[in-house]
Amino acid sequence: DGGITQSPKYLFRKEGQNVTLSCEQNLNHDAMYWYRQDPGQGLRLIYYSQIVNDFQKGDIAEGYSVSREKKESFPLTVTSAQKNPTAFYLCASSARQRKGGELFFGEGSRLTVL
Amino acid sequence: GESVGLHLPTLSVQEGDNSIINCAYSNSASDYFIWYKQESGKGPQFIIDIRSNMDKRQGQRVTVLLNKTVKHLSLQIAATQPGDSAVYFCAETIGPGNQGGKLIFGQGTELSVKP
Repeated sequence: DGGITQSPKYLFRKEGQNVTLSCEQNLNHDAMYWYRQDPGQGLRLIYYSQIVNDFQKGDIAEGYSVSREKKESFPLTVTSAQKNPTAFYLCASSARQRKGGELFFGEGSRLTVL
Repeated sequence: GESVGLHLPTLSVQEGDNSIINCAYSNSASDYFIWYKQESGKGPQFIIDIRSNMDKRQGQRVTVLLNKTVKHLSLQIAATQPGDSAVYFCAETIGPGNQGGKLIFGQGTELSVKP
């Protein structure tokens, strides 16, 4: 089945450690996105990528890094510089590069910093 | 039942009733809007979308209404069922040019359906 796979689903991290969240899609979508969701709040954009080897900062990029070496993969690294990393992270992709287009989401990764 | 989006993030309705979830969007230049449904612990799922050249669009049991004059979007769910219980988000595209479908999400409204 086509879709977006995020892993791990749950992750615990000690303060000061970097962690990388995986996102893979087999939908042949050009654009991929990372969102952060905090309890009772909407989704905030961290980074997005419209094509391979190119990505742009979203609204809350500080303390995060990404890479887009392959069309199907868009991993997110939560660095030790991120002051409040505990959150639910959602990866998404879309088929269209022009403005406006449905996003398909993965099931999310819940990161907890101990 | 009816919500007022950001001012009333929780909506409780009786099974079988119609639900109306409201959303006030931020940018008058936005031209594409989507409603998503998010069940607990899962990623959002697409429900319905609408472009700014329309003021109404219907799907299966759902209708989206767009009022550009007051920058207001609503989602109507007919004959609400327990499986409709979830958080509902509206989203808008914002910003000029080719931004690859970048969406800005609202706070969300939690819909609770009583049997």
